Amino acid sequence: GQNIDQPTEMTATEGAIVQINCTYQTSGFNGLFWYQQHAGEAPTFLSYNVLDGLEEKGRFSSFLSRSKGYSYLLLKELQMKDSASYLCAVSRPTLLYGQNFVFGPGTRLSVLP
Amino acid sequence: DSGVTQTPKHLITATGQRVTLRCSPRSGDLSVYWYQQSLDQGLQFLIQYYNGEERAKGNILERFSAQQFPDLHSELNLSSLELGDSALYFCASSPRTRLAGSDEQFFGPGTRLTVL
Repeated sequence: GQNIDQPTEMTATEGAIVQINCTYQTSGFNGLFWYQQHAGEAPTFLSYNVLDGLEEKGRFSSFLSRSKGYSYLLLKELQMKDSASYLCAVSRPTLLYGQNFVFGPGTRLSVLP
Repeated sequence: DSGVTQTPKHLITATGQRVTLRCSPRSGDLSVYWYQQSLDQGLQFLIQYYNGEERAKGNILERFSAQQFPDLHSELNLSSLELGDSALYFCASSPRTRLAGSDEQFFGPGTRLTVL
């Protein structure tokens, strides 16, 4: 089966750095996405990794190791507005040139003053 | 505002009924994805269409069906509704069908379905 694991909840302090881990076991791999979702709202795209290594985008960075089935999202200089759920998702290719997505359960991050 | 629109915002119906959810993708996007998000199951991928054709199928029940029309809007039909179908249904769009670089998806605001 397809399996993606993330910690359920994390807490960090404003201004700090937090790392959210994601491990996956999927049949097929076309890339790994990170999304942010505030309660009651739609997910918004944060980052995408298809090759091993680190991708940096402002305060957010994401790392991928395909051989280990492992990724992390690094959030720097935490702000109160970063309190949200963070979803790790794997895209798997289909025979019809589509994308089949598997999402992790999400990590609820609380940023404290 | 992602540019993806979904109607209706809220829908309340009874078990056994049938409903249709509508999605209009961002201008120029050819791919549409449907997701179901319930409290106990997280975000579940249902189905993807590209330029009117089905391209990927996820955990979509046989009671559910979807289509994408020539003007690229999409509809998700849910029939013989059960209590467990109560969830937030998201539509997302992207320019292409398969990844070629960073092909992020843009999510609509969702339709909250309540089955009583």
